[in-house]
Amino acid sequence: AQKVTQAQTEISVVEKEDVTLDCVYETRDTTYYLFWYKQPPSGELVFLIRRNSFDEQNEISGRYSWNFQKSTSSFNFTITASQVVDSAVYFCALSEESTGANNLFFGTGTRLTVIP
Amino acid sequence: DAGVIQSPRHEVTEMGQEVTLRCKPISGHDYLFWYRQTMMRGLELLIYFNNNVPIDDSGMPEDRFSAKMPNASFSTLKIQPSEPRDSAVYFCASSLMGNQPQHFGDGTRLSIL
Repeated sequence: AQKVTQAQTEISVVEKEDVTLDCVYETRDTTYYLFWYKQPPSGELVFLIRRNSFDEQNEISGRYSWNFQKSTSSFNFTITASQVVDSAVYFCALSEESTGANNLFFGTGTRLTVIP
Repeated sequence: DAGVIQSPRHEVTEMGQEVTLRCKPISGHDYLFWYRQTMMRGLELLIYFNNNVPIDDSGMPEDRFSAKMPNASFSTLKIQPSEPRDSAVYFCASSLMGNQPQHFGDGTRLSIL
């Protein structure tokens, strides 16, 4: 079974719109870590955020915010006032303490296109 | 600070040839990871090292693939002999400690003809 599900394969928004990227994970561990990475058209993978399973506080960083809800096993990512430079593929990932917390299980990614 | 450095950025070669991908992790990082990205399988972990020692190579597809880390600042991923189905983007990543964020290199785009 997929450990990380990103049901939205592609999303298109018009510049300045807000957009939320969904991530649902599955694990039996009580200690685990969730990540978001961005892969722009140039191809590199850029780390955005890491959360551990004991910290459910939402986080905001500029136009980016993350909503972690253990009750629904979700770790959603919202971009406010989207810009063309936000166009990229975004990956959600999970690592579990029981497997050494080093194996990153990636979702299949959501391709975001921001239209000017 | 320099990030993870991979070389070459692109490699095109004929099937049957040996391919060597190189990686220099971020200085001070104890963990090094090799990933492969394909359209069909997405991003998958091939192998990772801790303090230059291979810890988990369960993701290595077959014996044609091998990885080494002779010292803390250098690792190689070798494919011998290469096959067209090995065509993919190969990423190297490093992290300071276990469960810490992994920082990725720019990747090597490998095409086997």
